[in-house]
Amino acid sequence: DTAVSQTPKYLVTQMGNDKSIKCEQNLGHDTMYWYKQDSKKFLKIMFSYNNKELIINETVPNRFSPKSPDKAHLNLHINSLELGDSAVYFCASSQERSVQETQYFGPGTRLLVL
Amino acid sequence: GESVGLHLPTLSVQEGDNSIINCAYSNSASDYFIWYKQESGKGPQFIIDIRSNMDKRQGQRVTVLLNKTVKHLSLQIAATQPGDSAVYFCAEKWSGGSYIPTFGRGTSLIVHP
Repeated sequence: DTAVSQTPKYLVTQMGNDKSIKCEQNLGHDTMYWYKQDSKKFLKIMFSYNNKELIINETVPNRFSPKSPDKAHLNLHINSLELGDSAVYFCASSQERSVQETQYFGPGTRLLVL
Repeated sequence: GESVGLHLPTLSVQEGDNSIINCAYSNSASDYFIWYKQESGKGPQFIIDIRSNMDKRQGQRVTVLLNKTVKHLSLQIAATQPGDSAVYFCAEKWSGGSYIPTFGRGTSLIVHP
C-alpha cells in the first residue's frame, strides 16, 4: 500500500494556466507538507499543515494555495503558472510536529510549464 | 572520485567498495540530523538519523558520524551495491526552532557493477 501518494505524476501545461496537485496519506499522520525540488535537486519547504491548519508558509508566491479538506489530504493549487514553477513537487507527512518525527515523502509530481 | 561545483556533487564507486558521503551543516544549534536517499523518479526516503548527543550511529550497512566541532556529518555505506545508486541528502533540525528539516545540497552516488 502506498503511504503517501500524489497525482498526477507528470504535469505538462502552458504558462498562465491554473493547475492542482493532489496528495493523500494513509499513515494517520497529523502533519503534511509541500516541498519544491529544483533542477539542482535542492529541496525547499513551501507549506506545512497540522490537522488541516496552515502552520508554515514559507516565502512562496500567493499564486500557490494549499488546501487541506481533511487530515489525510493536502492539495496544492497553482494559479497563473510561470516558467519558473517548473520543478518536482513533493508532498510529505509526519506523525506530529516534533524534531524526532520522520517525514515520509510521496513520489513527486513533475511539473513542466511551457 | 568526487566532484563539486555548479552540478550536483558526485561520488563514483565500484560495487563492493565502501562509500563515504560528506555533508557540512550550517546551524551550530542544530541537534538532530537525518540522512535521506532519493532514487531516480522517487521521493526522499529516510535512512538513518542521529542526535547531537551522539557522534556515531550504526544501521544496516550504514553508519552516520557527527562532528559538531566542525559541523560535519558523514554517511558511510559498507559494501556498496548498485541499488545504493541515488542522491543522498543530509538534513538538520533544531529542537528550539522549527520542526521542518533544512536539507543540504545532495550528493549523487553512482555505483559501478
